[in-house]
Amino acid sequence: EAQVTQNPRYLITVTGKKLTVTCSQNMNHEYMSWYRQDPGLGLRQIYYSMNVEVTDKGDVPEGYKVSRKEKRNFPLILESPSPNQTSLYFCASSLNGLSSYNSPLHFGNGTRLTVT
Amino acid sequence: AQSVTQPDIHITVSEGASLELRCNYSYGATPYLFWYVQSPGQGLQLLLKYFSGDTLVQGIKGFEAEFKRSQSSFNLRKPSVHWSDAAEYFCAVGDREYGNKLVFGAGTILRVKS
Repeated sequence: EAQVTQNPRYLITVTGKKLTVTCSQNMNHEYMSWYRQDPGLGLRQIYYSMNVEVTDKGDVPEGYKVSRKEKRNFPLILESPSPNQTSLYFCASSLNGLSSYNSPLHFGNGTRLTVT
Repeated sequence: AQSVTQPDIHITVSEGASLELRCNYSYGATPYLFWYVQSPGQGLQLLLKYFSGDTLVQGIKGFEAEFKRSQSSFNLRKPSVHWSDAAEYFCAVGDREYGNKLVFGAGTILRVKS
């Protein structure tokens, strides 16, 4: 089954403790992206990647890192989490970017992160 | 930079009634436009999209949307709402210049009463 898999689904951590949220897709997609969803703000793009070793900042990249060493994986890293990073995070992928009509975004089911 | 406004935070409609969810965008040229739906505990699912051509686009689940350049709008419509349509709906704008950035509206929560 074609899917985007995020882990974990729920994560509670403390300020300053490094964490990684994994994202994997099995569709051989070139484009992958991370979003955070906050009430009243919708989804905001954190980082995106057009291919292996190619990453770019979205609208809210501060406090986050990403890597794209393999095509299928795009982990989100919080080196020193803070309470304002408490949010619902989504990973998404598409075949070859958003500007292609036949390349819709496929979303994972989300990771709810709480930083205390 | 582009922006998206969804003026209605919540909307409640009766089952069988028609629905219109509003979306206005700010962008210098013709953007890519999308509507997504999110059911509780789920990721987002694409309902429909506009890239160019016919300004009335059809999507899944009986939804349609109309791009109106003069009003900078891309409103989502459905002629008869079903209880299963209760969800949160997001309008999104893609940048033709920076093709891989996507900006979402704040969302509209749809409640359906029987």
